[in-house]
Amino acid sequence: EAGVAQSPRYKIIEKRQSVAFWCNPISGHATLYWYQQILGQGPKLLIQFQNNGVVDDSQLPKDRFSAERLKGVDSTLKIQPAKLEDSAVYLCASRGGADTQYFGPGTRLTVL
Amino acid sequence: QKEVEQNSGPLSVPEGAIASLNCTYSDRGSQSFFWYRQYSGKSPELIMSIYSNGDKEDGRFTAQLNKASQYVSLLIRDSQPSDSATYLCAVIQGAQKLVFGQGTRLTINP
Repeated sequence: EAGVAQSPRYKIIEKRQSVAFWCNPISGHATLYWYQQILGQGPKLLIQFQNNGVVDDSQLPKDRFSAERLKGVDSTLKIQPAKLEDSAVYLCASRGGADTQYFGPGTRLTVL
Repeated sequence: QKEVEQNSGPLSVPEGAIASLNCTYSDRGSQSFFWYRQYSGKSPELIMSIYSNGDKEDGRFTAQLNKASQYVSLLIRDSQPSDSATYLCAVIQGAQKLVFGQGTRLTINP
């Protein structure tokens, strides 16, 4: 079974630029999550999708972050414009019928 | 009060000894608890899940849950250098929202 795929793996941008991350969950997993992990901290949930609907986006900075999951499969997370404090690893995870979430390799974003 | 609290460490344990990692959580309604291991530069991987009070053993790992005290722990027996990593405690709240602690960095010394 293929795992959660993410791209790119690394991205370096300057502040005020925009960036987008892509996630392909495990086949058949209806629930998809985006987390932000700042160095030295645990992952923080940004947004949770159930199929193509948003379940929880309470911690998503909506003035600059947006996410979509068209057709209930792949998802894209966008930041526009980026700030220095957005430097982090962005993790995508998916979940099937059980409680377990499976994480992708992450995208390491550096904002200069 | 943080929703999920862990001692950030670092915790240093000699090879072959027992490593003990602790976690407390604030939401009394939580029913599902997880331990993830995260190697430096890698994503978290699930090593244990526990749902009922008491102990759950899997190989060298034992998870312990005490809902009355809102406390979860992870014991690693016969610690190996390959166990050196950050261990993340996570708790499900609400509609399958996974809340993580800050992680405990564990170092096993040969």
